[in-house]
Amino acid sequence: RKEVEQDPGPFNVPEGATVAFNCTYSNSASQSFFWYRQDCRKEPKLLMSVYSSGNEDGRFTAQLNRASQYISLLIRDSKLSDSATYLCVVAPSPWEYGNKLVFGAGTILRVKS
Amino acid sequence: GAGVSQSPSNKVTEKGKDVELRCDPISGHTALYWYRQSLGQGLEFLIYFQGNSAPDKSGLPSDRFSAERTGGSVSTLTIQRTQQEDSAVYLCASKTSGTPTGQFFGPGTRLTVL
Repeated sequence: RKEVEQDPGPFNVPEGATVAFNCTYSNSASQSFFWYRQDCRKEPKLLMSVYSSGNEDGRFTAQLNRASQYISLLIRDSKLSDSATYLCVVAPSPWEYGNKLVFGAGTILRVKS
Repeated sequence: GAGVSQSPSNKVTEKGKDVELRCDPISGHTALYWYRQSLGQGLEFLIYFQGNSAPDKSGLPSDRFSAERTGGSVSTLTIQRTQQEDSAVYLCASKTSGTPTGQFFGPGTRLTVL
């Protein structure tokens, strides 16, 4: 079983739609969680951290369910510019002082007009 | 610049040659990471440096791969006797210590081994 699993998609949605991605992780001791986005042939860029209480940044909402070991990302009012691959990322131990992140393989989102 | 920089941006080499890839992390970032990403695949962790601690080399795929970080700043990833399966984008990332923030990635070096 992979440490971090995501549905590869692609998710094809019209502009204005709401779309949600889930991600599951296997290490129950994982400490920190992130969503990154990666555009085609570009480097990953941090989208948002995921906090236990859930957090929102504009049209994006991230949630963490430690009991079920999954993380979600909700995108409301999708824009064409949201088209990208979304990477679920988990830090398996206290992240403040380093250690490696584990990246999911990514979920492809395509927003169409 | 303010971000992570990598050079070269593209490298084409012949099978069996050695290559060196360079990463300049964000100033003040004590943690530095190397990953590689093959076409259509996820990120594969290679090596991690944290301050003056011994690096975590657990992701290096073979002894042909090595990396060093001089003066706690610039890092060089060396691949000896390159093989075609080494073709990938090699990404460097850095982060500060002491805060649970994410990593910041450089633009990568696209390596093609002919």
